[in-house]
Amino acid sequence: QVQLVQSGAEVKKPGASVKVSCKASGYTFTSYGISWVRQAPGQGLEWMGWISAYNGNTNYAQKLQGRVTMTTDTSTSTAYMELRSLRSDDTAVYYCARTSWSAVAEFDYWGQGTLVTVSS
Amino acid sequence: EIVLTQSPDFQSVTPKEKVTITCRASQSIGSSLHWYQQKPDQSPKLLIKYASQSFSGVPSRFSGSGSGTDFTLTINSLEAEDAATYYCHQSSSLLGTFGQGTKLEIK
Repeated sequence: QVQLVQSGAEVKKPGASVKVSCKASGYTFTSYGISWVRQAPGQGLEWMGWISAYNGNTNYAQKLQGRVTMTTDTSTSTAYMELRSLRSDDTAVYYCARTSWSAVAEFDYWGQGTLVTVSS
Repeated sequence: EIVLTQSPDFQSVTPKEKVTITCRASQSIGSSLHWYQQKPDQSPKLLIKYASQSFSGVPSRFSGSGSGTDFTLTINSLEAEDAATYYCHQSSSLLGTFGQGTKLEIK
């Protein structure tokens, strides 16, 4: 069965960086892509970006350009999302979700979420 | 950026009632519109992909329709377990976006 297992909760100070991992199993990792979605406390879903595990192509949300980097390690079927220069409004649950290898499409399986708290 | 606007933001409904949630796109997105259900403290789950295709394992009371700019999620004969927030999501452009969500409360 398809599973996406994310790394544990993080607490960071403003200005720091965080790197969240998403380990995939139950399917051929390089046949799909991974999108990252975040949800601030009590708020809706926000699409952050996408990476193809097939060829490494990426697309990022405009508001996060320059602060976010998404990568994959095909040897371990793991996707990573790094967010730099953290601010208090980056406090959110971060989700990875499986999607198409070629472009953003539907998100058919989701990770359990990783809470990132940014606080001084 | 393509903006998705859902209505209503909140709805209180009784079991067995029929519920309709709409999602309007700021420009035509063909059928590249997907629906998700999120219960409190859980990850979202895919219900409908490409406007009207049911995802595997989703109860048949959930259905979707629409194309272009106007889309609808319908829940027939609502059950108590359907209490959740529902989101639409477009994948027409390279930059994905979500609607703001519709919270369903069961009376």
